[in-house]
Amino acid sequence: DVKVTQSSRYLVKRTGEKVFLECVQDMDHENMFWYRQDPGLGLRLIYFSYDVKMKEKGDIPEGYSVSREKKERFSLILESASTNQTSMYLCASGLHPGQGPGASNQPQHFGDGTRLSIL
Amino acid sequence: AQTVTQSQPEMSVQEAETVTLSCTYDTSENNYYLFWYKQPPSRQMILVIRQEAYKQQNATENRFSVNFQKAAKSFSLKISDSQLGDTAMYFCASGVYNQGGKLIFGQGTELSVKP
Repeated sequence: DVKVTQSSRYLVKRTGEKVFLECVQDMDHENMFWYRQDPGLGLRLIYFSYDVKMKEKGDIPEGYSVSREKKERFSLILESASTNQTSMYLCASGLHPGQGPGASNQPQHFGDGTRLSIL
Repeated sequence: AQTVTQSQPEMSVQEAETVTLSCTYDTSENNYYLFWYKQPPSRQMILVIRQEAYKQQNATENRFSVNFQKAAKSFSLKISDSQLGDTAMYFCASGVYNQGGKLIFGQGTELSVKP
């Protein structure tokens, strides 16, 4: 079974702090994604990565950056945390087209989420 | 741009009954696919069912089935013989083949199965 592990389930930080959320997958997936989940808004894509050192902005990248130094690890960084970044953060991984037959329509596999509170 | 809309924020159903969750989407692409995901209180998102847009036959997975109406851009999820363990948030999502696995999610429907 695919395992996507997020480093923390709950995290409390203060305004202005630099915050790192870590995600590791064990299935050699090329694609990795960071979402934030808010009530009534569903999941919104922050950033995604197709390969090591590659990243692309999603729908709501402002205030965030990412790092992908190794294939299995994708980090989300809040450069200077603000209270409006209090949310649930979900990491996901998936196959990239070319990784196998039907790879384009393969589902993403999710971690358990990190509930981040910024005080 | 793709959009996915779930117009039912909350629903409830009695155990053993059938319930249908609605989802509509909008895309200008021809080659796309659709998913339903389940997020129980434990929080991990789990794939429930998938549908390729080019397939006319509705997908089924045990008690879960979809009603895919391509012309109407509708993709509803039917849960038969509802069980207490079906209590969860359900998300509809769509992806396009040339966008490398990127998904657009709906707002979610919170389903409660009552004993």
